[in-house]
Amino acid sequence: LAKTTQPISMDSYEGQEVNITCSHNNIATNDYITWYQQFPSQGPRFIIQGYKTKVTNEVASLFIPADRKSSTLSLPRVSLSDTAVYYCLVGARYGGATNKLIFGTGTLLAVQP
Amino acid sequence: NAGVTQTPKFRILKIGQSMTLQCTQDMNHNYMYWYRQDPGMGLKLIYYSVGAGITDKGEVPNGYNVSRSTTEDFPLRLELAAPSQTSVYFCASSYRTSGRSSSYNEQFFGPGTRLTVL
Repeated sequence: LAKTTQPISMDSYEGQEVNITCSHNNIATNDYITWYQQFPSQGPRFIIQGYKTKVTNEVASLFIPADRKSSTLSLPRVSLSDTAVYYCLVGARYGGATNKLIFGTGTLLAVQP
Repeated sequence: NAGVTQTPKFRILKIGQSMTLQCTQDMNHNYMYWYRQDPGMGLKLIYYSVGAGITDKGEVPNGYNVSRSTTEDFPLRLELAAPSQTSVYFCASSYRTSGRSSSYNEQFFGPGTRLTVL
């Protein structure tokens, strides 16, 4: 599975748009990019997944450039409740035969009032 | 649906004691997983199961055992607790069909069990 690199932490204020970038230089042709969110004292929760260009859902947008060596998770108008750790994962859409996920250390997003 | 439930929420063990962490899911998922998360770190896979009766090792299986006798339950057993096993343990499940037309098989996580070994 491709290794990912993310900033350890980011700060923001309520109402701002937050962009978290993930580097994955060794991404394979069949790999998808998936983001999970983890609140303190809870298990991770799936946010969004994409392969190329742009994906948007009710929570976030995911931007993937043509070379796919990086991706950016965009959170519009964050609130205090968006304070969490965000994990970028790269791997086969179906995780291979076992759907295994490889978590890095993630990015701690701290939203201030 | 309750989703993925884990018991207990907290536990303190003495070195050398044993215990079983329980995990149950009511979503009829065929895949189940156990992760541990040390402070400030990401999750590491301990064991996983692709169906009842089938289990396999993940990244950090030493000191743990699992069984999967039913689709719903996937208990994790610690036989001789050590301080290095102090961690938060998460159970997760997902559903995968055999065809590639299925949507992404997102993993659903339980609330975790915080274990301290003294």
